[in-house]
Amino acid sequence: KAGVTQTPRYLIKTRGQQVTLSCSPISGHRSVSWYQQTPGQGLQFLFEYFSETQRNKGNFPGRFSGRQFSNSRSEMNVSTLELGDSALYLCASSSDGFNTEAFFGQGTRLTVV
Amino acid sequence: SQKIEQNSEALNIQEGKTATLTCNYTNYSPAYLQWYRQDPGRGPVFLLLIRENEKEKRKERLKVTFDTTLKQSLFHITASQPADSATYLCALDPYSGGGADGLTFGKGTHLIIQP
Repeated sequence: KAGVTQTPRYLIKTRGQQVTLSCSPISGHRSVSWYQQTPGQGLQFLFEYFSETQRNKGNFPGRFSGRQFSNSRSEMNVSTLELGDSALYLCASSSDGFNTEAFFGQGTRLTVV
Repeated sequence: SQKIEQNSEALNIQEGKTATLTCNYTNYSPAYLQWYRQDPGRGPVFLLLIRENEKEKRKERLKVTFDTTLKQSLFHITASQPADSATYLCALDPYSGGGADGLTFGKGTHLIIQP
């Protein structure tokens, strides 16, 4: 069974640009969550999608958005990038949400310069 | 406000000994707690989930306890090996605060097993 796949693995963007990250969950998983990880703040929840609907949202500005497709693949978008958005962005899939184990991808390392 | 604390300093343990990591929380009443392992540059890997009505859970060399009175979970690795060196994260369920807002992670404890 293939694991969670995130693309790209590394990304360098300039302040003010926008970026789209992609996540393919484990086959059969309908819940996809996104997290931002930085050395100072640790892992912080961005949002969760379940069956194409955003079910939960963390405390991030509206520049961070996401969506989920009918095949459960998910994308997250960050507009008007700021230096502070530099982080490891992790996607996690699970069968039905937070009360089961989450399977994380390798992450996308975003650097904003 | 809700808070999760893990020992932010590195924990050095000699190979073969038992490593014990602590996760303390305040202003939470979690229904369950999870432990993950994270290696540098990689995503976290799920290890164990323990529910509030379970005092202890084991998986091979791993053991987790959950004391809802002390608001604490302990994570033990017995017969530790250098390959166990990693950062270990605890995560609480999001529903304890009255709403679902994702797993809430501690900042992790960096465990180093010395050969």
